Amino acid sequence: NAGVTQTPKFQVLKTGQSMTLQCAQDMNHEYMSWYRQDPGMGLRLIHYSVGAGITDQGEVPNGYNVSRSTTEDFPLRLLSAAPSQTSVYFCASSWIAGGTYNEQFFGPGTRLTVL
Amino acid sequence: AQRVTQPEKLLSVFKGAPVELKCNYSYSGSPELFWYVQYSRQRLQLLLRHISRESIKGFTADLNKGETSFHLKKPFAQEEDSAMYYCALLSGTYKYIFGTGTRLKVLA
Repeated sequence: NAGVTQTPKFQVLKTGQSMTLQCAQDMNHEYMSWYRQDPGMGLRLIHYSVGAGITDQGEVPNGYNVSRSTTEDFPLRLLSAAPSQTSVYFCASSWIAGGTYNEQFFGPGTRLTVL
Repeated sequence: AQRVTQPEKLLSVFKGAPVELKCNYSYSGSPELFWYVQYSRQRLQLLLRHISRESIKGFTADLNKGETSFHLKKPFAQEEDSAMYYCALLSGTYKYIFGTGTRLKVLA
């Protein structure tokens, strides 16, 4: 049971490049989410999903796309990277049971630098 | 606006001293509140949530709706408590709002 996995661990991009951050979980969680962590800003929700085929925007969605074709995977796409997207990105997942949200399990993070 | 405020970026206490990490929230409905912790070189993990009314690793947090607070407390700090602590609010449907975090340093 690997829990929540993220790849890559580190990435350096040039401005304008695109890339996909991968996130997978093997706990059959309905809820998956992406956050960015910046100094002094805490964690901010980018996008989230409550099941395959269902996604919605969080607090800071601009410049990012997501899709949820399977329960297990929730990739985050940067369409045209900008220096402002330099951050540490965390993926998380949890069950949804009877409308109550259970513990979120976090991945190890991806450290992204955009030059 | 829905918001979580953690006023202290850094809190240093001596081992054995009481600890209180402050968290205030702004939310019009009935809040669900959580404390998450990130130890050095470990993943962010749930410490406790108000709905469970539990004590984890000696920490407790009481929801005070009048003061809109959810402060995290421990009577006697241990060195292993040194970590980054985040207060989080489950806002409306499915959206989490995190505070900016407080780094706790427990000094020997």
